[in-house]
Amino acid sequence: DAKTTQPNSMESNEEEPVHLPCNHSTISGTDYIHWYRQLPSQGPEYVIHGLTSNVNNRMASLAIAEDRKSSTLILHRATLRDAAVYYCILRDVMGKGTNFGNEKLTFGTGTRLTIIP
Amino acid sequence: KAGVTQTPRYLIKTRGQQVTLSCSPISGHRSVSWYQQTPGQGLQFLFEYFSETQRNKGNFPGRFSGRQFSNSRSEMNVSTLELGDSALYLCASSSAGARGYTFGSGTRLTVV
Repeated sequence: DAKTTQPNSMESNEEEPVHLPCNHSTISGTDYIHWYRQLPSQGPEYVIHGLTSNVNNRMASLAIAEDRKSSTLILHRATLRDAAVYYCILRDVMGKGTNFGNEKLTFGTGTRLTIIP
Repeated sequence: KAGVTQTPRYLIKTRGQQVTLSCSPISGHRSVSWYQQTPGQGLQFLFEYFSETQRNKGNFPGRFSGRQFSNSRSEMNVSTLELGDSALYLCASSSAGARGYTFGSGTRLTVV
């Protein structure tokens, strides 16, 4: 499985933007970049995903490097509720056809984000 | 829309016993995956089911097994429990498409 590398921890002040980096130098052409986060005492929660272009949704933005070997999850205005462990994961979903979902998510250690009030 | 429901939320068992955990996926989701989360090993994939068939399996001993029913509900079973099986067991469901999995809140299993 293609591997991702993230910093173990980061801190950010409340109401400021947060940039969470992820390196994935062995990414293949059909790997999507997915981000999940896990709040305390909960299961992981899908945040965003992308393939080549930058993506935005109501939760965050995903900036993908031109060579796709790294990406950055951007929380535009962090709140205390954003304190969580953030995981960057690669998923190869191309060509799966009816076999979509026939892959395991390989979670790394993630980045523990602390928000300072 | 109801999320992924896992029952029970907490469970305490004794070494050597067996346990069955249940997962009800989001309506319409046919793929159900199970993960084990421990402080030492993090999140590890157990197995994945689609239309009652196991399609993928992680590196866990045969004591860990699962099944999926025709309504997509899934159960996992752990036999001959060991202290090291104490963990948070998470279930996730998904539908076709490149979007993500939806996880339940998990079952916290403690083996004493």
